[in-house]
Amino acid sequence: DQQVKQNSPSLSVQEGRISILNCDYTNSMFDYFLWYKKYPAEGPTFLISISSIKDKNEDGRFTVFLNKSAKHLSLHIVPSQPGDSAVYFCAASAGANNLFFGTGTRLTVIP
Amino acid sequence: DAGITQSPRHKVTETGTPVTLRCHQTENHRYMYWYRQDPGHGLRLIHYSYGVKDTDKGEVSDGYSVSRSKTEDFLLTLESATSSQTSVYFCAISVKDREPDTQYFGPGTRLTVL
Repeated sequence: DQQVKQNSPSLSVQEGRISILNCDYTNSMFDYFLWYKKYPAEGPTFLISISSIKDKNEDGRFTVFLNKSAKHLSLHIVPSQPGDSAVYFCAASAGANNLFFGTGTRLTVIP
Repeated sequence: DAGITQSPRHKVTETGTPVTLRCHQTENHRYMYWYRQDPGHGLRLIHYSYGVKDTDKGEVSDGYSVSRSKTEDFLLTLESATSSQTSVYFCAISVKDREPDTQYFGPGTRLTVL
């Protein structure tokens, strides 16, 4: 049973606009959340994370929002650039050694 | 770059043959992981290690074994490969003294079992 869900398999956005990628989770024990970016034929690259004690974390063009009551997190990319085109995975941890991953959202930024 | 290499990067094998994938890290991190990535499933943990000779099972460990005789190397073995083990395999390390549970991944091994 998928504990972390990314319900949008793909998203297309114009260059310069905002990209919003969404992720839902079911396990209330998750206390740390991460986003990874993956290019074809490469390993996932860590992008940004957030602890459950926060509701927002920013790093340059990337911001992650966490809504614990809704068990929902989102990644905002502003402004979107063609180089951001990749598959984005959200992941969650309950403090143990297992990261639970969503199925990924393919972002295409159109020049 | 977390200093992780995986070998081989690509492998084609036949059903029933043994296969070993290698993960090598250069920074002496204690924790190492093996994941597989499949369409519709994201990445799923196979096994992990928290030190030399210390390993434990993950979510999808059936049909796989691991060994860690040196800090820098973590081996994943398919004793008798099956077509359901066709996948992309990723090794990861975590730096637990800096960031909780943040894992850094190697470039992956694409395995095809015919």
